[in-house]
Amino acid sequence: EVQLVESGGGLVQPGGSLRLSCAASGFTFSSFWMSWVRQAPGKGLEWVANIKEDGSGKYYVDSVRGRFTISRDNAKNSLSLQMNSLRAEDTAVYYCARGRWVTYWGQGALVTVSS
Amino acid sequence: DIQMTQSPSAMSASVGDRVTITCRASQGISNSLAWFQQKPGKVPKCLIYTSSSLQSGVPSRFSGSGSGTEFTLTISSLQPEDFATYYCLQHNSYPYTFGQGTKLEIK
Repeated sequence: EVQLVESGGGLVQPGGSLRLSCAASGFTFSSFWMSWVRQAPGKGLEWVANIKEDGSGKYYVDSVRGRFTISRDNAKNSLSLQMNSLRAEDTAVYYCARGRWVTYWGQGALVTVSS
Repeated sequence: DIQMTQSPSAMSASVGDRVTITCRASQGISNSLAWFQQKPGKVPKCLIYTSSSLQSGVPSRFSGSGSGTEFTLTISSLQPEDFATYYCLQHNSYPYTFGQGTKLEIK
């Protein structure tokens, strides 16, 4: 069974940093692209970033490029999202998801950016 | 960026109805489209990928079609558990983009 478990969410002040992690199990992690998708409170879904199987390709939505960094550790079956210079508009539930077309999702981690 | 426009934004239907939701892309995306269902307070669930491939475990009353710029999600006979919000996602060009969602409510 595919399992994705996010951690690292919380409350952070504007301009601060946070690192989200996603522990993957139930599939061969190194064989799949991995993605992050977010959903602001009461809003729709927004694709944030994805990373190629071997980490050689990384892609971002314009609003986070230069502030967020996606990475993976295939030896530990782990995906990360380093978020710097956080803004109020980054407040959302962040989902870790498997694949380019995000077929399996974790339960999400809430990130709140507020003073 | 490719804009994805869903229609309608909201609709009401009855159990047993045939329902169609449309997603239009601002430029051609081949068959690089997925559909998701999200119930209130729950995690989105993938229903369809690459336009028409049914995700494992998804009931066969769900089907997808289309290519290029116009895509449809069809529910052949609406069940009580299908009332939810549906989203499309284009995964052809970066940045990937979701439609704004279609809220399907009980009539």
